Amino acid sequence: GNSVTQMEGPVTLSEEAFLTINCTYTATGYPSLFWYVQYPGEGLQLLLKATKADDKGSNKGFEATYRKETTSFHLEKGSVQVSDSAVYFCALMRTSGSARQLTFGSGTQLTVLP
Amino acid sequence: ETGVTQTPRHLVMGMTNKKSLKCEQHLGHNAMYWYKQSAKKPLELMFVYSLEERVENNSVPSRFSPECPNSSHLFLHLHTLQPEDSALYLCASSPTGSTDTQYFGPGTRLTVL
Repeated sequence: GNSVTQMEGPVTLSEEAFLTINCTYTATGYPSLFWYVQYPGEGLQLLLKATKADDKGSNKGFEATYRKETTSFHLEKGSVQVSDSAVYFCALMRTSGSARQLTFGSGTQLTVLP
Repeated sequence: ETGVTQTPRHLVMGMTNKKSLKCEQHLGHNAMYWYKQSAKKPLELMFVYSLEERVENNSVPSRFSPECPNSSHLFLHLHTLQPEDSALYLCASSPTGSTDTQYFGPGTRLTVL
């Protein structure tokens, strides 16, 4: 079946540090891949996505590249800010009938210190 | 603004109570979802509705009963819950296309005493 494995947290960084959160997946076919972010007390927001191999998703300084050969979609940011503190979820999308369904990783808590 | 609203935002209930969670989306989507988010566990998909028909029920106990009266509204009726049902319940919606993004509401924080 489909599954997503994420780097376990929590991750604590100083402001302006480089961030990598690893994500690997298991799926049949060619799923779309997503990173969602959840700020404290809020629901999930889409951060970026990629729909086919070698696509790079990017948003707000975050990037992730769809690597089919390594079944990975690692999240990176060159210089984190305190406002990036949140929980980050990697996810893949599969089709079930007429609806699209997300399978999520367990989430990685990021704390950025000033 | 996400376009997906959930009420109430917080709910405390006893094990013998009956309550309902409401989700409304203003995005013109035709698929809606309920997820459960518990501490230290991945998000669990509970139910999926597409074009107002339930297309998936992921072995959810019968004490959770979903209802989708139209494509804009989704309810989760709760009765005889257990303390382990305490969690954040998230609603999401999406269009039905080839590479859909799901849009999430802020969630209802449920505590079962």
